[in-house]
Amino acid sequence: DTGVSQNPRHKITKRGQNVTFRCDPISEHNRLYWYRQTLGQGPEFLTYFQNEAQLEKSRLLSDRFSAERPKGSFSTLEIQRTEQGDSAMYLCASSFEGPTEAFFGQGTRLTVV
Amino acid sequence: SQQGEEDPQALSIQEGENATMNCSYKTSINNLQWYRQNSGRGLVHLILIRSNEREKHSGRLRVTLDTSKKSSSLLITASRAADTASYFCATYNNNDMRFGAGTRLTVKP
Repeated sequence: DTGVSQNPRHKITKRGQNVTFRCDPISEHNRLYWYRQTLGQGPEFLTYFQNEAQLEKSRLLSDRFSAERPKGSFSTLEIQRTEQGDSAMYLCASSFEGPTEAFFGQGTRLTVV
Repeated sequence: SQQGEEDPQALSIQEGENATMNCSYKTSINNLQWYRQNSGRGLVHLILIRSNEREKHSGRLRVTLDTSKKSSSLLITASRAADTASYFCATYNNNDMRFGAGTRLTVKP
């Protein structure tokens, strides 16, 4: 297992377009997290999954954002009708259940022009 | 929303010196973790300290936790240029993990 994998690494899109990111967690991990990070800031929690169940979603996450984790394996994060303010690094992390360390992917950098 | 706040926001030291970063948080926690991030990359886990622990060591890292003050500190001893990175504390409470804004550490050779 090579760790958490995120694709694509970079995405440039025009305002108003939809984008989808994929995260492949470490295979034994049942927890999966999505974070958003802007320059000079820490990761901002978006949502997390326990297996295929989405257990928590940040109030900051508008209805333009949706995440899925079918079959409890990989996850996708979709942003509809992108806005310039969506430009950020989107980070995925996975872990075992419970209060343990998380392993992060390299992130997907989104630029909305 | 973010939970922790790191202090200072930026720290610049000479190679060989020690670096101390502080983290304050607001709610009760199960554990507190420190992560490192090189520019434009993902985060790497450094150390985890449970809420019933007061101090923990890992190599050149020393972490303390004071739950009564809701604060933690990360000490990096004998710093190296390769330690240059951003350092984040993350609080784990029941089900999710929240990060602070980080400390940007620069170690000059």
